[in-house]
Amino acid sequence: AQSVTQLGSHVSVSEGALVLLRCNYSSSVPPYLFWYVQYPNQGLQLLLKYTSAATLVKGINGFEAEFKKSETSFHLTKPSAHMSDAAEYFCAVSEGTGFQKLVFGTGTRLLVSP
Amino acid sequence: DAGVIQSPRHEVTEMGQEVTLRCKPISGHDYLFWYRQTMMQGLELLVYFNNKAVMDDSGMPKDRFSAKMPNASFSTLKIQPSEPRDSAVYFCASSFDARTGRTEAFFGQGTRLTVV
Repeated sequence: AQSVTQLGSHVSVSEGALVLLRCNYSSSVPPYLFWYVQYPNQGLQLLLKYTSAATLVKGINGFEAEFKKSETSFHLTKPSAHMSDAAEYFCAVSEGTGFQKLVFGTGTRLLVSP
Repeated sequence: DAGVIQSPRHEVTEMGQEVTLRCKPISGHDYLFWYRQTMMQGLELLVYFNNKAVMDDSGMPKDRFSAKMPNASFSTLKIQPSEPRDSAVYFCASSFDARTGRTEAFFGQGTRLTVV
């Protein structure tokens, strides 16, 4: 069965600092991987997705993630945090071509301080 | 498109009552998903449909939950009878537009259910 593990339920950074949110996956087939963001009282919004085309994936709001097969990782980064980045971030994996069911990690809450 | 539309946004009900959650997916999407989000369990897939047919409902408690998709633009998730442990945020999502080839899932804003 596929799964993702997000290390750290909370990550705190200062505004302007590097953001690094960790995600490791487990999959018996080449995975499709996603990062979603959830703002308070909102649904989930897709940040970016990996579909085997390129290992470095760029998403919205300046976020990017790198797929590393050897490390089974798909960490999310942003060079400079903004206050508006404060939210909960979910890593997810899908078996199929990405439109089938997603298995989500437990989420990481990003806190950004001035 | 207005996105995935869920109703109601909030529901408070008494234990034992029937609750119906509604979802209108994005037009043209072939897949529809119902997820439940709780602090303890995180995001769990309850059931999903492909072209109105149930593909996987293994995450859904069958004794009290039922999901239907009578047409391509409407789905319901019904809980009868409701219990306090059903309190959660329920998300509907839809994906795969064959016309554009876009596969990502789009989520509604959720229904916050409180069973007292």
